[in-house]
Amino acid sequence: AQKITQTQPGMFVQEKEAVTLDCTYDTSDQSYGLFWYKQPSSGEMIFLIYQGSYDEQNATEGRYSLNFQKARKSANLVISASQLGDSAMYFCAMREYLSGNTGKLIFGQGTTLQVKP
Amino acid sequence: KAGVTQTPRYLIKTRGQQVTLSCSPISGHRSVSWYQQTPGQGLQFLFEYFSETQRNKGNFPGRFSGRQFSNSRSEMNVSTLELGDSALYLCASSLGGAGVYNEQFFGPGTRLTVL
Repeated sequence: AQKITQTQPGMFVQEKEAVTLDCTYDTSDQSYGLFWYKQPSSGEMIFLIYQGSYDEQNATEGRYSLNFQKARKSANLVISASQLGDSAMYFCAMREYLSGNTGKLIFGQGTTLQVKP
Repeated sequence: KAGVTQTPRYLIKTRGQQVTLSCSPISGHRSVSWYQQTPGQGLQFLFEYFSETQRNKGNFPGRFSGRQFSNSRSEMNVSTLELGDSALYLCASSLGGAGVYNEQFFGPGTRLTVL
């Protein structure tokens, strides 16, 4: 069964430093997509970055990059040069192609990131 | 382009009552998905509607239902509310096309409290 595991309930990082948030996944499908979302205290989910299972290069979006290791089934989010505004909950999510054209995302439990000044 | 809107933003109900939540997707988006977020269970998929048809359903009791209108707006209904239904309900819209990418845009959520 498809599953997302985020083993870090909470993380601290100093402002301007880089931080890695861990995500491992389990799926029997060969075609799937991996997403990272940020959820500030306001509650809205903000899309950060996407990695497809067939993408050979790691995805990057500004200060966000995804360290995709397919054999290990891991998709870690790297935030470079942390800012105070990065303090939020971060979710890793997956969609399987077997699900067809559906909007079903499976989410991990999330990691709370706090950036210290 | 306006984002996903959800109404109401906050709601307080008592056990046994029913509630209807509304979601207006981004213009042109035909898919609306609903999620329940609680501290204990995290984010869980409720269901997805595409072109007025339920396309996928999560593992929730029949008290949770939804529908989608011809303008893609969606409503979610919970009948006979229980204390455990207290949660943040998020809706997400997407174009709904083929492929796993299909980025979902989330609304601000409706925070439901059941007393």
